[in-house]
Amino acid sequence: AQSVTQLDSQVPVFEEAPVELRCNYSSSVSVYLFWYVQYPNQGLQLLLKYLSGSTLVKGINGFEAEFNKSQTSFHLRKPSVHISDTAEYFCAVSESSGGSNYKLTFGKGTLLTVNP
Amino acid sequence: AAGVIQSPRHLIKEKRETATLKCYPIPRHDTVYWYQQGPGQDPQFLISFYEKMQSDKGSIPDRFSAQQFSDYHSELNMSSLELGDSALYFCASSLGPGSDSEQFFGPGTRLTVL
Repeated sequence: AQSVTQLDSQVPVFEEAPVELRCNYSSSVSVYLFWYVQYPNQGLQLLLKYLSGSTLVKGINGFEAEFNKSQTSFHLRKPSVHISDTAEYFCAVSESSGGSNYKLTFGKGTLLTVNP
Repeated sequence: AAGVIQSPRHLIKEKRETATLKCYPIPRHDTVYWYQQGPGQDPQFLISFYEKMQSDKGSIPDRFSAQQFSDYHSELNMSSLELGDSALYFCASSLGPGSDSEQFFGPGTRLTVL
């Protein structure tokens, strides 16, 4: 079974500042990693994903994340945030080893609040 | 581009009533997933279907059942509703069941049980 820990439940930052949202995972098998964003009263939108290859993954809206296998981490970063980035961010994993277990396991989420 | 459609968007029910939530996947998507997100919680996987067959099952109560139809739409049936069932229910669809197949999420159905 997999689990995901998002170390910060809330992250307040000022506009144009850099931000890092932390995510650690635990799994007995190899995994795929995802970051989703949820704006108020909306569904989940995929920001980026790591399946294989380069450990630095670039996503939409200027976000990027780095997979670190030794530290079992997949932290999300953005060099300069905007007011419009205010949202809930979820880190998620799924098994990459096949079988029928394709469900996503989510972390508890991090609320990013960008202040003017 | 077409997205995942969920209906209704909002639903209010009394305790012990039944509810049916519907999900229409993106055209050509053959895999559907259901997730439940309680207030202030992370989404929890309920159940998934691939080619009309149940492919995986999570923490879905016995009071809930679901199926995928020949046109690939899916319905989540909830009976004997409890206050704790109040949540946002997401449906996601993907092309193929693999873990590397991106799951596209619908806007959710907000169920309130009074």
